[in-house]
Amino acid sequence: DGGITQSPKYLFRKEGQNVTLSCEQNLNHDAMYWYRQDPGQGLRLIYYSQIVNDFQKGDIAEGYSVSREKKESFPLTVTSAQKNPTAFYLCASRRAMNTEAFFGQGTRLTVV
Amino acid sequence: QQQVKQSPQSLIVQKGGISIINCAYENTAFDYFPWYQQFPGKGPALLIAIRPDVSEKKEGRFTISFNKSAKQFSLHIMDSQPGDSATYFCAASRRGGGSNYKLTFGKGTLLTVNP
Repeated sequence: DGGITQSPKYLFRKEGQNVTLSCEQNLNHDAMYWYRQDPGQGLRLIYYSQIVNDFQKGDIAEGYSVSREKKESFPLTVTSAQKNPTAFYLCASRRAMNTEAFFGQGTRLTVV
Repeated sequence: QQQVKQSPQSLIVQKGGISIINCAYENTAFDYFPWYQQFPGKGPALLIAIRPDVSEKKEGRFTISFNKSAKQFSLHIMDSQPGDSATYFCAASRRGGGSNYKLTFGKGTLLTVNP
């Protein structure tokens, strides 16, 4: 079955640690996205990538980093510089501009 | 800068009623307007989408109305059911390369349909 897989579903991080969230897609989509969801804030764009080895900052990129070494994979690293990392993180992909975006099931990150 | 403004933040409707959620956008270059439905703990899923060359699109009980001059679009859910209870997001994007790959979302509307 084609789709987007995010792992892990739940993640706990100690303050001061970096953590990497995984996102893999087998839809052969060019574009991939990372969003952060907080109650009442909607979906805020962190980073997006149109093609392998290229990515752009979204609206709230500070404290986050990404890589796009393979078409299928777009991992997100939440660094210790992110002041308030506890949130629900969603990865998405789409084939081209102005087409349907498919979302993963999300990773809930909690800083303990 | 919030490019897509969504209202209301929450909505309670009786079973069988009509649910209406509104969105307004600022960027006249936007030309793709999807609506997404999200259940708790899950990722959003596309519900219905419209392009600005039409004023209305209907799929089953779900209808998008689009007003290009007012830069507004809305989602109507007819005969609302308890199973429709979810968070709904409007979004917008535009053609072209570079930053046009961005897909911008509204803040969401929590819909509750009472039985």
